[in-house]
Amino acid sequence: EPEVTQTPSHQVTQMGQEVILRCVPISNHLYFYWYRQILGQKVEFLVSFYNNEISEKSEIFDDQFSVERPDGSNFTLKIRSTKLEDSAMYFCATGTGTGNQPQHFGDGTRLSIL
Amino acid sequence: AQSVAQPEDQVNVAEGNPLTVKCTYSVSGNPYLFWYVQYPNRGLQFLLKYITGDNLVKGSYGFEAEFNKSQTSFHLKKPSALVSDSALYFCAVRDVNYGGSQGNLIFGKGTKLSVKP
Repeated sequence: EPEVTQTPSHQVTQMGQEVILRCVPISNHLYFYWYRQILGQKVEFLVSFYNNEISEKSEIFDDQFSVERPDGSNFTLKIRSTKLEDSAMYFCATGTGTGNQPQHFGDGTRLSIL
Repeated sequence: AQSVAQPEDQVNVAEGNPLTVKCTYSVSGNPYLFWYVQYPNRGLQFLLKYITGDNLVKGSYGFEAEFNKSQTSFHLKKPSALVSDSALYFCAVRDVNYGGSQGNLIFGKGTKLSVKP
């Protein structure tokens, strides 16, 4: 079964540094999402992306965050100047865009900000 | 506002016994409802969904869920629990009228299921 692949699995970064998290979607999926899960808390929506632009974003997705699909395959989440509170698991999900189909999630990137 | 509630932080069940993990939701329009399971250090795996039709839906690994519109609930069930079912379970909703068919999922806080031998 096709999978969503995320790299790296774990990223440790100094506060204030930039990080880029990468996701390879399932090949025929057109809708892409980022979610995050702070340790012990629920999964929270960050942003959705379709046709090379943001479809929707949450309050969490402020100016320090950005997404792009630079080469038509990888879908990336960039955090420009990381803060301690950005420490979390970040999940990429992809979908066909049809409402009755589930989103498929990657295994996540654990981001630790020191 | 859309929301999902999972009232139990943890559910403990003996192997072989039936299990129920509770979920209630609040959306303004018609809901699309999902259950996902998360094993340690892994992403969320899709278990089952309710879109329309029969209120009892069957999914992976012998799980099923019952949609109850009047109670706005979508409880996850399994007739006979296995130790390997021990994991974190998330209920999620997508409001069809908010964000369209590609709208984001709203998750509950998760319920840890522990199945003892």
